[in-house]
Amino acid sequence: DAGVIQSPRHEVTEMGQEVTLRCKPISGHDYLFWYRQTMMRGLELLIYFNNNVPIDDSGMPEDRFSAKMPNASFSTLKIQPSEPRDSAVYFCASSFGGGEKLFFGSGTQLSVL
Amino acid sequence: KQEVTQIPAALSVPEGENLVLNCSFTDSAIYNLQWFRQDPGKGLTSLLLIQSSQREQTSGRLNASLDKSSGRSTLYIAASQPGDSATYLCAVMNSGYSTLTFGKGTMLLVSP
Repeated sequence: DAGVIQSPRHEVTEMGQEVTLRCKPISGHDYLFWYRQTMMRGLELLIYFNNNVPIDDSGMPEDRFSAKMPNASFSTLKIQPSEPRDSAVYFCASSFGGGEKLFFGSGTQLSVL
Repeated sequence: KQEVTQIPAALSVPEGENLVLNCSFTDSAIYNLQWFRQDPGKGLTSLLLIQSSQREQTSGRLNASLDKSSGRSTLYIAASQPGDSATYLCAVMNSGYSTLTFGKGTMLLVSP
């Protein structure tokens, strides 16, 4: 398996624009997580899905953020409208089972100007 | 709320040294603990996973220990190499949950 695949690797956008981040989890994994990493706050969980169903979105900072998982092989994280404080590295991760090893994608470096 | 602390934040050692990275957590009701490695500009790679019922796990030159009652874990790296240079993160999963709480990591530099 190619591992967790995220796209794009880098995204530079202007404040107010819509940003969509994409993730393909490892085939067969039933848990998918979206994390955000900044120097100040470290890694923060935004939302996670189990069998394509959102389970906990309490980490989503505000209504500007939304996430979907239409099928077992694809998830998106959308920010609309984007703000400079959203600049961070966004990681997608998946696992087989909720308490098992977590596999991370390479991340999307987002810069909002 | 679970809090995870890693000390030191950065560590620099010469090649060949044995070293210990520390992780502490505030809530001992954990399900498991994982150690990850992160290289610059890359994602995290899981190194070791210790279940709450275990005391340690080993993989090659890495050994992770867990003392649940005191809220501590250590990652021991034997005979360090320049290729070990990376940031090492500790993450804890609480019982009854499926999510990890991460520490901010220890940035390790092993010089030749």
